[in-house]
Amino acid sequence: GESVGLHLPTLSVQEGDNSIINCAYSNSASDYFIWYKQESGKGPQFIIDIRSNMDKRQGQRVTVLLNKTVKHLSLQIAATQPGDSAVYFCAENAINQAGTALIFGKGTTLSVSS
Amino acid sequence: ETGVTQTPRHLVMGMTNKKSLKCEQHLGHNAMYWYKQSAKKPLELMFVYSLEERVENNSVPSRFSPECPNSSHLFLHLHTLQPEDSALYLCASSQDVGSTEAFFGQGTRLTVV
Repeated sequence: GESVGLHLPTLSVQEGDNSIINCAYSNSASDYFIWYKQESGKGPQFIIDIRSNMDKRQGQRVTVLLNKTVKHLSLQIAATQPGDSAVYFCAENAINQAGTALIFGKGTTLSVSS
Repeated sequence: ETGVTQTPRHLVMGMTNKKSLKCEQHLGHNAMYWYKQSAKKPLELMFVYSLEERVENNSVPSRFSPECPNSSHLFLHLHTLQPEDSALYLCASSQDVGSTEAFFGQGTRLTVV
């Protein structure tokens, strides 16, 4: 079964609001957790990653939080813009029985209205 | 522009046809991947290549046959596909197997009729 998943399939926000996208995982052996963004007609694009021994990492307008106690990952987007509208995937990178590669969750569609 | 180019962008094929998907990267990456993306499902890892050698076959049916002739090119040969194989096929590359940042192509939208 899947080891990475998301809580909600869709999220709608107003421009300027902060967005929080959540993800639950089950594989505690993952070395890194990653967020990707996929815009319509494009392939997924790397946003930010966090190592498993960290609990917070900040990028440009984005923050990733990792709570290993409850196996929860979140992506916070500050001052959400219409250009942030996309499908967001969490992923993990760990050695499992199939080898080492990025394993993706189902995705949350973020819709930003002006 | 991610540096990973896939052709064709769209492909319609019959169940008895043979076709190939092509992926090209000139980023100097050592690892290349094929993923399948179906509606309402997560991206499914199909194949992983590192330095032109396949390191992972994620139990993919034999009607999908990958080929990596050099570190810049990756192919996915298709034959006797089924309608349920219709999906977006994404190629990606990364510096090494295990890198968290992968660069994806725009994908080939495959329809099997």
